[in-house]
Amino acid sequence: QQQVKQSPQSLIVQKGGISIINCAYENTAFDYFPWYQQFPGKGPALLIAIRPDVSEKKEGRFTISFNKSAKQFSLHIMDSQPGDSATYFCAARSGRGSTLGRLYFGRGTQLTVWP
Amino acid sequence: DSGVTQTPKHLITATGQRVTLRCSPRSGDLSVYWYQQSLDQGLQFLIQYYNGEERAKGNILERFSAQQFPDLHSELNLSSLELGDSALYFCASSVGRELHEQYFGPGTRLTVT
Repeated sequence: QQQVKQSPQSLIVQKGGISIINCAYENTAFDYFPWYQQFPGKGPALLIAIRPDVSEKKEGRFTISFNKSAKQFSLHIMDSQPGDSATYFCAARSGRGSTLGRLYFGRGTQLTVWP
Repeated sequence: DSGVTQTPKHLITATGQRVTLRCSPRSGDLSVYWYQQSLDQGLQFLIQYYNGEERAKGNILERFSAQQFPDLHSELNLSSLELGDSALYFCASSVGRELHEQYFGPGTRLTVT
């Protein structure tokens, strides 16, 4: 089954608006939560990541919010730009056991930012 | 540019055939991961190698195999290809064995006809 659930599947935002993508997980063995950005014809590129001992991490216009008790985390893109139009994947890394180090990905969110 | 290179960029082949995909990790990275990306399954982890040895296996079919060579480049071999094997295949690399960021290559698009 899908270890990391991501929503929405697609998102349309106006230029300058805030894009919000949500992810949820169940496995408490996850200890690292990266977000990847993928443009058509390219590989996923690491965008920003957070560890569960931190509730928020900000890098430029990108912010991850993390709620450990709810097992949810989200990506906020402030002042969204047309160049942000891409597919975004959340992921979670297993921190123990036979799956140590393995990344589990959400299904992706296709973001379109209209000018 | 992540520093991970993959060849070829595109591959078109027929059912029943065998292909080899190649990956060169970033300089200094010892771990190589292979992923399959398809519309219905999303990004699926296939297999990981660390410094030449198989480290972890995911949803990899028995028809698929991989290896990592002494120069740390890796190859993914896909045999007895089926239409359903058509997908994007990504290689990623990281410095260490487990707990480090993974950087993805540009992928190989495989089309099985």
